[in-house]
Amino acid sequence: KAGVTQTPRYLIKTRGQQVTLSCSPISGHRSVSWYQQTPGQGLQFLFEYFSETQRNKGNFPGRFSGRQFSNSRSEMNVSTLELGDSALYLCASSPGPGGEAFFGQGTRLTVV
Amino acid sequence: GENVEQHPSTLSVQEGDSAVIKCTYSDSASNYFPWYKQELGKRPQLIIDIRSNVGEKKDQRIAVTLNKTAKHFSLHITETQPEDSAVYFCAASISNFGNEKLTFGTGTRLTIIP
Repeated sequence: KAGVTQTPRYLIKTRGQQVTLSCSPISGHRSVSWYQQTPGQGLQFLFEYFSETQRNKGNFPGRFSGRQFSNSRSEMNVSTLELGDSALYLCASSPGPGGEAFFGQGTRLTVV
Repeated sequence: GENVEQHPSTLSVQEGDSAVIKCTYSDSASNYFPWYKQELGKRPQLIIDIRSNVGEKKDQRIAVTLNKTAKHFSLHITETQPEDSAVYFCAASISNFGNEKLTFGTGTRLTIIP
């Protein structure tokens, strides 16, 4: 079974630009969560989707948004990029409520 | 919201010795407690988890204990090996339909000294 796939693996963007990251969950998994990992703040929850609905949102500004498609693939978008948005963005999928979360390799975003 | 504290932030042990990492959580409604291992440059990987209806769980050299009254849980690694060197994260969540948010601890960098 293929694991969680995130694309692209690396991105370099300029302040003020926007970016879209993609996550393909494990086949059959309907829940997708997004996390931001930085050396200073650790792993922080961004949002979680289940059956195309956002069920939970972390404490991030409205510049961070996401969506989930009918095939469970998810995208997250960050608009008006700031230097502080530089981080590893991790996506995790699980089969549903109470299931184990499996992480993708992440997308490393660098904002210059 | 939930807050998870993890200690120590760094831990060095001799190969063959045991390592213990401790976490406390704040929300008594939390009922799912996974532990993740993250090697340098790699994704976090689930190594063991425990649910609130269980006090202890073992998987070979790894064990997790949960004290719901005190709201803390611990990871125990016995007979440590060099490949155990990594960053370990604990997490807590209220895992039921409608809430799958994992709150992570700040991580413990474990170094196994050969």
